[in-house]
Amino acid sequence: KNEVEQSPQNLTAQEGEFITINCSYSVGISALHWLQQHPGGGIVSLFMLSSGKKKHGRLIATINIQEKHSSLHITASHPRDSAVYICAVRKRETSGSRLTFGEGTQLTVNP
Amino acid sequence: NAGVTQTPKFRVLKTGQSMTLLCAQDMNHEYMYWYRQDPGMGLRLIHYSVGEGTTAKGEVPDGYNVSRLKKQNFLLGLESAAPSQTSVYFCASSTLSGRAFLEQYFGPGTRLTVT
Repeated sequence: KNEVEQSPQNLTAQEGEFITINCSYSVGISALHWLQQHPGGGIVSLFMLSSGKKKHGRLIATINIQEKHSSLHITASHPRDSAVYICAVRKRETSGSRLTFGEGTQLTVNP
Repeated sequence: NAGVTQTPKFRVLKTGQSMTLLCAQDMNHEYMYWYRQDPGMGLRLIHYSVGEGTTAKGEVPDGYNVSRLKKQNFLLGLESAAPSQTSVYFCASSTLSGRAFLEQYFGPGTRLTVT
């Protein structure tokens, strides 16, 4: 079983819909990252969080350390949000800030 | 400020050939990483470095070697390429703020095909 599980694997939405992507992990962590991989392949970091909630524009990330679960929400989705969203964790007591990644969620937003 | 760059962007190798992938960062980051990304799997760490002159193995190091002779560069070598090494390779870098690790910055990727 993977240490980081994302759901759903694929998600199709209509423009304007509220979107939620989930991430569950089975190890103790010091931080959780949400990343976005564009259709062209580039990967950018969206959030890094260790507790609570962060917001950037239409994106919101939450984490519940006790339940070992995080969610990424996109409000008022737009076709340009179409990408793969990747959850990654930094396990506690891991040297060098190494990350363990989920398999990603492919999001398609149709106009 | 170019961030993290990778060369080459694409490469086709024959089985048994060798090559080196170059990663460069201009952010003065201490930590650098090489990942591979395969369909249906998450990014997997090949090797990483916590500073100039140091390297360490990740999850899938077999068949690869690395060197970090300069702080800004991290080289990934394939000594004898195999079809199983067909993948997209990403380099990333990171640093600390105080005692807290910051986000990782990724290069654009290198698509390698081994025939």
